[in-house]
Amino acid sequence: DTGVSQDPRHKITKRGQNVTFRCDPISEHNRLYWYRQTLGQGPEFLTYFQNEAQLEKSRLLSDRFSAERPKGSFSTLEIQRTEQGDSAMYLCASGPSSGLYNEQFFGPGTRLTVL
Amino acid sequence: AQTVTQSQPEMSVQEAETVTLSCTYDTSESNYYLFWYKQPPSRQMILVIRQEAYKQQNATENRFSVNFQKAAKSFSLKISDSQLGDTAMYFCAFMKHAGGNYGQNFVFGPGTRLSVLP
Repeated sequence: DTGVSQDPRHKITKRGQNVTFRCDPISEHNRLYWYRQTLGQGPEFLTYFQNEAQLEKSRLLSDRFSAERPKGSFSTLEIQRTEQGDSAMYLCASGPSSGLYNEQFFGPGTRLTVL
Repeated sequence: AQTVTQSQPEMSVQEAETVTLSCTYDTSESNYYLFWYKQPPSRQMILVIRQEAYKQQNATENRFSVNFQKAAKSFSLKISDSQLGDTAMYFCAFMKHAGGNYGQNFVFGPGTRLSVLP
């Protein structure tokens, strides 16, 4: 399977704990996105990488959130001191930088539940 | 900022019938792209169809077609000959046309849950 993969698929944590999610994009894609999807809503943009550079961050990405993409390959999204409001599906997408628009392929997501 | 509205939280259709999902958007951009994504239960988002705003011709992909009304900022999805496998959340999404390092992230609507009934 050469699609976008995310790990773990599900994470349950207690409020105040730190969690880290991983995304492995399609290997030839140099663009990588993180989105957050709460129940009953569409995904909301969090942040974007081109290769290893984090070029955009949404206002939704508070200082408790940090994302990295070392060497322009996989990416991690860390949430520190989790809150119940962080409970959501975290989606990763990757795509090429060529073309008229940035086609994006989505992973299956990591569902976070904060107790 | 762009916004995307889907006014139908839930819809149902009988198998083999036709259904239309509504989407409106607000933007001051002149060049952009519009998309419909499908998210089956517990599965990942899949692109259904896309439309370039500079193209007047409505996009079609097999049983899926759109009605793009640029002046009205409307972008509806028609599914013909509905199949049980079409049961999913459907998201309308907007993307600005931009070049360089700009990421072109999606702005999604809240979604419409479509159930295809046997």
